[in-house]
Amino acid sequence: QMHLQESGPGLVKPSETLALTCTVSDGSISISSYYWAWFRQPPGEGLEWLGSIYYRGTTEYNADLKSRVTISIDTSKNQFSLTLISVTAADTAVYFCARTSGWSGFAVDAFDLWGQGTMVTISS
Amino acid sequence: AIQLTQSPSSLSAAVGDRVTITCRASQAIKSALAWYQQKPGKAPKLLIYDASTLESGVPSRFSGSGSGTDFTLTISSLQPEDFATYYCQQFYGLPGTFGRGTKVEIK
Repeated sequence: QMHLQESGPGLVKPSETLALTCTVSDGSISISSYYWAWFRQPPGEGLEWLGSIYYRGTTEYNADLKSRVTISIDTSKNQFSLTLISVTAADTAVYFCARTSGWSGFAVDAFDLWGQGTMVTISS
Repeated sequence: AIQLTQSPSSLSAAVGDRVTITCRASQAIKSALAWYQQKPGKAPKLLIYDASTLESGVPSRFSGSGSGTDFTLTISSLQPEDFATYYCQQFYGLPGTFGRGTKVEIK
């Protein structure tokens, strides 16, 4: 069973850059029909899709964050990454990486595989 | 963006009860809807996709129905492990949006 694991700093200062990596194990990230995505969930709130990437590098982003978000992929390392610039306290959240189910073949689909999540706090 | 309105926002139910959660989309989304279960401190777990298709390994007491703008998640006989928060999510259009969640608590 494929496994996803987020990693990165748990504390980031305001105005700086949040950078997280998702490592895919027990399977290849270079699979056709699947997209790899980032989500976040502020404490006590709901889920927000940030963006998705295909193994060939095609990306789709949430327009609400598009100017600040970049998702990249490194197939040689079986990893994909999230960069969020100019962070504020409003970016404090649990960040999840996930995989689409492949049912629709689109960047946003049902998501059937998730990492455990990593808490990122924005504070000086 | 397509808005999803879930109701109720919370409910109390007993083990064995039949539970129904609704999700209404702000525009027609065909059957491009998924349901997730999330427990505290855990990632969401996919229960249903394509509005009514049960994800592999999910107990058959969970079912989904609907198309267009109105959708329902039903738990036919609530079990102790089902107390959690449930989210609907649409994947008809970008961004993929979620409902605000329904918290199912023990009565």
